Amino acid sequence: DQQVKQNSPSLSVQEGRISILNCDYTNSMFDYFLWYKKYPAEGPTFLISISSIKDKNEDGRFTVFLNKSAKHLSLHIVPSQPGDSAVYFCAASPMIIQGAQKLVFGQGTRLTINP
Amino acid sequence: DSGVTQTPKHLITATGQRVTLRCSPRSGDLSVYWYQQSLDQGLQFLIQYYNGEERAKGNILERFSAQQFPDLHSELNLSSLELGDSALYFCASSVRTDTEAFFGQGTRLTVV
Repeated sequence: DQQVKQNSPSLSVQEGRISILNCDYTNSMFDYFLWYKKYPAEGPTFLISISSIKDKNEDGRFTVFLNKSAKHLSLHIVPSQPGDSAVYFCAASPMIIQGAQKLVFGQGTRLTINP
Repeated sequence: DSGVTQTPKHLITATGQRVTLRCSPRSGDLSVYWYQQSLDQGLQFLIQYYNGEERAKGNILERFSAQQFPDLHSELNLSSLELGDSALYFCASSVRTDTEAFFGQGTRLTVV
């Protein structure tokens, strides 16, 4: 049972345009959501996070939107740059109880930015 | 560079053997996490420690164990290795348990 789903294995976007990566989750206990970027042979790099009390969080070119009723998360990158080409992972953690954080990752979306 | 250091970067060993993976968290981070990334399962949470105490467990096999030492570094011990244990093992750390985790470069384990 995949609790965090990224239904698009790949996405191709032209440089300068907006990239929109989507993520759906099924577990209503998730209340902390993150996006990570990963290059080959490297560990995931943290991009941006959002808690369930918010519906939007922005950091420079990156904005994450959370729709709790739809159990849907999206990452917007604008403008897209060639260096953004990587695999993007959506991750979610259940309510942090007793200091536990257990990230559940989606399968990733490979983003390619074309010049 | 995330500031999380994992050693070794690559490890090749035979079935039935035991290995130890080491992780040094970012300076000041009290929480350490271990994740496994395999081709068929993606990134899977294994275990979390906070200031030396186990805080959360995921789908960690009984053949695997971990600990966090007083200097906050952590080790993941994998024993009776099987071919299916071949994977990338990532360590991550965070300041608190409700903040983002930063990942190391991973240890690629190959069991032959």
